[in-house]
Amino acid sequence: GAVVSQHPSRVICKSGTSVKIECRSLDFQATTMFWYRQFPKQSLMLMATSNEGSKATYEQGVEKDKFLINHASLTLSTLTVTSAHPEDSSFYICSARDFGGGTDTQYFGPGTRLTVL
Amino acid sequence: GEDVEQSLFLSVREGDSSVINCTYTDSSSTYLYWYKQEPGAGLQLLTYIFSNMDMKQDQRLTVLLNKKDKHLSLRIADTQTGDSAIYFCAIGAAGNKLTFGGGTRVLVKP
Repeated sequence: GAVVSQHPSRVICKSGTSVKIECRSLDFQATTMFWYRQFPKQSLMLMATSNEGSKATYEQGVEKDKFLINHASLTLSTLTVTSAHPEDSSFYICSARDFGGGTDTQYFGPGTRLTVL
Repeated sequence: GEDVEQSLFLSVREGDSSVINCTYTDSSSTYLYWYKQEPGAGLQLLTYIFSNMDMKQDQRLTVLLNKKDKHLSLRIADTQTGDSAIYFCAIGAAGNKLTFGGGTRVLVKP
């Protein structure tokens, strides 16, 4: 299957700082990427849909000014958690959509564990 | 919106078959997926099925889809200890927006 990377895999930061997470599709181009958040022992919660060259679409209840998404190229989307607080601590997972040729599949990155002190 | 339900836990002996079940509410889905998540890791795509199919087999994995009952299942044949993980079904809507079930934790006992 296709490979999606995330960087960093783990980050610890102080309250009030901003953290940027990168999501890359390594062997295919993805016009659409998705950002999810996962709390311990829970399922994935979709935060936003990232479209290359246009604004991201945020799910209800997700603050767009707090979770900045940029999808500047067909292989890279970034999520910036601005002015992070302890309640933002979570496991953030991205996925890239592989669409075309009879398939429509999301491939997931390995996730980024964010801890805000 | 879409509602996707899975049982929480499944315990199975090594070598037996595992069956993980999933029910959903939206009948307009085109693709239905099964993902595997190991501790601290992202999701690994296991298999998927088109909504116009009833069954798909891929090595040890068999997916059954009953559209009338809106029921999806994943059967793992000859379950191994390495199959211990959380399994998520996901239902795809327009734009491949996925709705995930709560996940089924599978424990394989030797």
